[in-house]
Amino acid sequence: KAGVTQTPRYLIKTRGQQVTLSCSPISGHRSVSWYQQTPGQGLQFLFEYFSETQRNKGNFPGRFSGRQFSNSRSEMNVSTLELGDSALYLCASSWRGELNEQFFGPGTRLTVL
Amino acid sequence: SQELEQSPQSLIVQEGKNLTINCTSSKTLYGLYWYKQKYGEGLIFLMMLQKGGEEKSHEKITAKLDEKKQQSSLHITASQPSHAGIYLCGADGGSRLTFGEGTQLTVNP
Repeated sequence: KAGVTQTPRYLIKTRGQQVTLSCSPISGHRSVSWYQQTPGQGLQFLFEYFSETQRNKGNFPGRFSGRQFSNSRSEMNVSTLELGDSALYLCASSWRGELNEQFFGPGTRLTVL
Repeated sequence: SQELEQSPQSLIVQEGKNLTINCTSSKTLYGLYWYKQKYGEGLIFLMMLQKGGEEKSHEKITAKLDEKKQQSSLHITASQPSHAGIYLCGADGGSRLTFGEGTQLTVNP
């Protein structure tokens, strides 16, 4: 069974640009959660999607958005990038959102210059 | 909101030594998760604790949740270079995880 895949693995953008990250969950999983990891703030929850609906949202500005498609693949978008958005973005999938059955992807390393 | 504090922040041990990482919560823990992360990579699930006093082991790693359910410890016996990485504790926040800052473990051969 293939694991959670994230593309791209590395990305360099400049301030003011926007970026889209992709996450393909494990086959059969319908819940996808996104987390941001930075040296200063650690790992923080961004949002969770289940069956194409955002079910939970963390405390991030509206520049951070996401969506989920009918095949459960999810995308995360960050508009008007700031230097502080440089981070490792991790997604995790599970069948219905069970935390003890959640599998993490390898992450996308975003660098904002 | 719930906060998790991990100690120590970093740890350097000689191969073969035992070590303990602590995770203290500002609120009662209803589910505590331990993960391991290699630098810049995803998280690998180690174990989950729910009941006060619960203890679980996997290979040389043992995790405990104290009776009051506000602190957990992760103990590694006879450490090996393969144990090196970042250890993170995470609290069940109801469909989301709240994480501690992580403990960077280095095991010198």
